[in-house]
Amino acid sequence: RKEVEQDPGPFNVPEGATVAFNCTYSNSASQSFFWYRQDCRKEPKLLMSVYSSGNEDGRFTAQLNRASQYISLLIRDSKLSDSATYLCVVGDSSYKLIFGSGTRLLVRP
Amino acid sequence: SAVISQKPSRDICQRGTSLTIQCQVDSQVTMMFWYRQQPGQSLTLIATANQGSEATYESGFVIDKFPISRPNLTFSTLTVSNMSPEDSSIYLCSVKPGHSYEQYFGPGTRLTVT
Repeated sequence: RKEVEQDPGPFNVPEGATVAFNCTYSNSASQSFFWYRQDCRKEPKLLMSVYSSGNEDGRFTAQLNRASQYISLLIRDSKLSDSATYLCVVGDSSYKLIFGSGTRLLVRP
Repeated sequence: SAVISQKPSRDICQRGTSLTIQCQVDSQVTMMFWYRQQPGQSLTLIATANQGSEATYESGFVIDKFPISRPNLTFSTLTVSNMSPEDSSIYLCSVKPGHSYEQYFGPGTRLTVT
């Protein structure tokens, strides 16, 4: 079983749609949780950290459920520029990051 | 967030040779890491670059193949030794600037071994 599992996608949605990504992790001792965005042939960029209380940044909302070991990302009012691969990432107590395989999002006009 | 640069941005190398990749940060950071992203795959941690001591390697990665230096708090190098085509990947450094868990990535070095 992979340490961090994500929906493989691709998700193909029209502009303006709402899309949700899910992720599960296996290590209950994980300390930190993130969503990164990776554009083609570019490095991953931190989108947002994820907390148990949930956090929102504009059109993006992330949620963590420690009991279920589940992380989610919701994107509202999708834009063409949101097309990218979204990486679910989990960190341990020594700051090592474990990456999911990524979910590809395609937003069409 | 810190500004991170890597050199070279890309290279094509012959099997059996070695390549050293440099990672430079514009400010002192507590931790630096090296990752590999193989074609079509996600990122895998190679090692934690420790300032003033030997790097800490992950399972499947060894110092003889991937020697790492970190002489100060803003600079690190990763060498890919005795390269084979299987080493063709993107190599990325990341930094953890402060007390938070967040990490930021350099632009990567795209390596092709022929």
